[in-house]
Amino acid sequence: SQELEQSPQSLIVQEGKNLTINCTSSKTLYGLYWYKQKYGEGLIFLMMLQKGGEEKSHEKITAKLDEKKQQSSLHITASQPSHAGIYLCGAGALGNAGNMLTFGGGTRLMVKP
Amino acid sequence: GAVVSQHPSRVICKSGTSVKIECRSLDFQATTMFWYRQFPKQSLMLMATSNEGSKATYEQGVEKDKFLINHASLTLSTLTVTSAHPEDSSFYICSAEDRGYSNQPQHFGDGTRLSIL
Repeated sequence: SQELEQSPQSLIVQEGKNLTINCTSSKTLYGLYWYKQKYGEGLIFLMMLQKGGEEKSHEKITAKLDEKKQQSSLHITASQPSHAGIYLCGAGALGNAGNMLTFGGGTRLMVKP
Repeated sequence: GAVVSQHPSRVICKSGTSVKIECRSLDFQATTMFWYRQFPKQSLMLMATSNEGSKATYEQGVEKDKFLINHASLTLSTLTVTSAHPEDSSFYICSAEDRGYSNQPQHFGDGTRLSIL
């Protein structure tokens, strides 16, 4: 089965600082999803990456999928307290959205004002 | 945008009680829904895949008689935790796929926090 490893497990940054979260897969990624979860709440979809080398941005968040499609990174520029939460990467079991997701262990982000 | 509604958001009940959690796709049809469980400070773990009109597929280690899943329509799946005990206390989240679109992300409910006393 596919395993996703996220690093770091937790992160505390000062407001305004940049940060990067990594997600590494044991197998080739055909669909990689980034979600954000506030503590005790549901998941908010951030971005989906499918092609090797693909990069997407939304506001101050940028996600990349490497050429080999086994690693993705999520980068937040000029972090704000509103960015705090748990970031989860997820991968489809058979390469597309039509299957259940395996999730990484999550990265807990705190942003200090 | 696609919305998944999960109800109730929070349940506190006595040990031995059965609890039903509903997951509804509000503006799309979902052939498949997924039920996840999340313990404190841990990631989401898939419990089962709910298929409309057929039996659910359970992940290894998940008791199907303990966690009953019913997916009777294209917009509703229910998870019933039967005879719940304190060790069943957890955060349960459902997700659904829009059958009308391929290669789209799953849409998640807001979760149900279950506390068994």
